[in-house]
Amino acid sequence: DAGITQSPRYKITETGRQVTLMCHQTWSHSYMFWYRQDLGHGLRLIYYSAAADITDKGEVPDGYVVSRSKTENFPLTLESATRSQTSVYFCASTPGGSYEQYFGPGTRLTVT
Amino acid sequence: KQEVTQIPAALSVPEGENLVLNCSFTDSAIYNLQWFRQDPGKGLTSLLLIQSSQREQTSGRLNASLDKSSGRSTLYIAASQPGDSATYLCAGPQGGSEKLVFGKGTKLTVNP
Repeated sequence: DAGITQSPRYKITETGRQVTLMCHQTWSHSYMFWYRQDLGHGLRLIYYSAAADITDKGEVPDGYVVSRSKTENFPLTLESATRSQTSVYFCASTPGGSYEQYFGPGTRLTVT
Repeated sequence: KQEVTQIPAALSVPEGENLVLNCSFTDSAIYNLQWFRQDPGKGLTSLLLIQSSQREQTSGRLNASLDKSSGRSTLYIAASQPGDSATYLCAGPQGGSEKLVFGKGTKLTVNP
């Protein structure tokens, strides 16, 4: 399917476990982003990538790891999940150069 | 540092009314501003992107304006419909980067 997809859509995990959220886009956009959305905080940037093998921290990167070996994929890993990481996670992409950002459908993560 | 504010947090109107949603930002060097719609439990859908060289952008019943000098953008919705009920978010870039800073949104309810 064309566009931007995220998997899984829903995930329940236990404190201390490692979790990886997947993001895949078919447009070959240069830029990809991970946001989390929480009540009271809105959308906050976790990490972003300007191209394959180029990543940088956003506003709330602690406890998260990203990689981007291929342009189309941008996985987000929670190395040791904590309850404070319970959230809805959105992936987005853009070609850059003042074009729109396009968002995936989100992953709802619950850490128990 | 870019900060984006949306007031009011919630708005309820009768069907058919024309309405304006407000967005203010602190960095007047903004080079574009994007408006999104989010339905409950869903991802973000891009509505309009206004470049700094434009003053307005229109899509159907939606019209967005950008005034860099006053640090404001507005989203005008004409002849509102119950299907317009959603949360509307605006976002502007952080400095000259592709990173977006989001407002916390305005939750719109259009009553039949």
